[in-house]
Amino acid sequence: SQKIEQNSEALNIQEGKTATLTCNYTNYSPAYLQWYRQDPGRGPVFLLLIRENEKEKRKERLKVTFDTTLKQSLFHITASQPADSATYLCAPDSGGYQKVTFGTGTKLQVIP
Amino acid sequence: EPEVTQTPSHQVTQMGQEVILRCVPISNHLYFYWYRQILGQKVEFLVSFYNNEISEKSEIFDDQFSVERPDGSNFTLKIRSTKLEDSAMYFCASSARQGAGGTEAFFGQGTRLTVV
Repeated sequence: SQKIEQNSEALNIQEGKTATLTCNYTNYSPAYLQWYRQDPGRGPVFLLLIRENEKEKRKERLKVTFDTTLKQSLFHITASQPADSATYLCAPDSGGYQKVTFGTGTKLQVIP
Repeated sequence: EPEVTQTPSHQVTQMGQEVILRCVPISNHLYFYWYRQILGQKVEFLVSFYNNEISEKSEIFDDQFSVERPDGSNFTLKIRSTKLEDSAMYFCASSARQGAGGTEAFFGQGTRLTVV
C-alpha cells in the first residue's frame, strides 16, 4: 500500500540557518506533491506544489525538490525565523483521487 | 481573501448523542472534504464530496458518519451516535478542481469535538 514517511522527530535549528525536511514515499509514483504548514490547533495551510516533471520549485524563502528516482521530496526554508516554527506536512497526490493524503509531519522549531 | 469557515469552533457532547459539524467552503470550489486529527496524531482523510455525492471515503468513515450539502453553501458532517474515540479536531476543506495537474486544498480552522 502507499506509504508516506516524514521524520517524526522534531527538528531544532538556529535562527538564520537553512532547515531541510524530508518526505519519502513508497509503493507508488505521484504525479505531484504538496507541502503544507500546520500551526497548533489550526488547519493545514498550503505552501507549494511541485509536479513530477519539475525538479525544483521556489517561493520566497521556500524551496522544494522532487526526486522521482529516489522517491523523495526535500523542503528547505532558508534564513529561518522563529515564525517558521510549525509542523510541515508532505502530501503526495493520491493517484488520481481527489483527496490530499498527508504524511505524519515534521515539527520544526527555530531557536532565536 | 476567501476562506473556509467552520462552526462551532468547539463542541462538547455526551457519548451516544448525534452531532452535526458545519462548514462553508469557498464559494466557487467544487470539491469538499472532511478530515480529522486526533490530538498528537496525523491529519486523516475521512471523505470527499463532489457533484452532490461522496466520491471517496476512508475506513474511518463508517455508517455512523454522513455528509450533506443541503444548500448551495453549507457542507455538513454528521456523526450519528458519538463515541469517546470520536474526540478529535475535524477539518473541512475545499478545492477548486482536481486532476493530473493537482490543486491545493483550503482548510478551515477546525471544530474541536470532545465526547464525554
